[in-house]
Amino acid sequence: QVQLQESGPGLVKPSGTLSLTCAVSGGSISSSNWWSWIRQPPGKGLEWIGEIYHSGSTNYNPSLKSRVTISVDKSKNQFSLKLSSVTAADTAVYYCARRYDIAAGDAFDIWGQGTMVTVSS
Amino acid sequence: QSVLTQPPSVSAAPGQKVTISCSGSSSNIGNNYVSWYQQLPGTAPKLLIYDNNKRPSGIPDRFSGSKSGTSATLGITGLQTGDEADYYCGTWDSSLSALVFGGGTKLTVL
Repeated sequence: QVQLQESGPGLVKPSGTLSLTCAVSGGSISSSNWWSWIRQPPGKGLEWIGEIYHSGSTNYNPSLKSRVTISVDKSKNQFSLKLSSVTAADTAVYYCARRYDIAAGDAFDIWGQGTMVTVSS
Repeated sequence: QSVLTQPPSVSAAPGQKVTISCSGSSSNIGNNYVSWYQQLPGTAPKLLIYDNNKRPSGIPDRFSGSKSGTSATLGITGLQTGDEADYYCGTWDSSLSALVFGGGTKLTVL
């Protein structure tokens, strides 16, 4: 059973860089899945940030593309998110999730528990 | 303002049926598959429906999905108090080149 676990600082200063890691356990990050980051501001809906394949190929939400970098570390079976120039609007619960490879469309079948990141001085 | 429009809230009595709508456009729902998620308070979303109307293993058949044109619908029958949660629809938007979600619908089981 594949499980995902996010980790990283819970507090980031404005204009700084948010850095999170998602550890994959119970399976290989080199499987035929795309791996995504999704966030949810307090009391609000979900926003897709972007995704990565084990080859290093990425897709980003155009609304965040200029500030986002997603990378993969196959040796550690994990992938990471970096979001630069953060503001209070980036305060959210950040989830990592696995794209459901059985689906013809876009769906996420496995999610991490989420980690709250607050942007504040 | 979400690209996909959902009602903010719906409610129904235990044992009854409820439907949750998700309205979009030809650039998203009209030409792409829809998925639905259940988010219980304080937890991560859980996949309920993918490819418009398919259920992952372990999801009871009380949950169903359908799509017509630029709208999709999640149906839940035999409502239980444990179904109280936020529900989100999601799909790819070809114009935005991004995966988008609805604003979410809070289900109350009275």
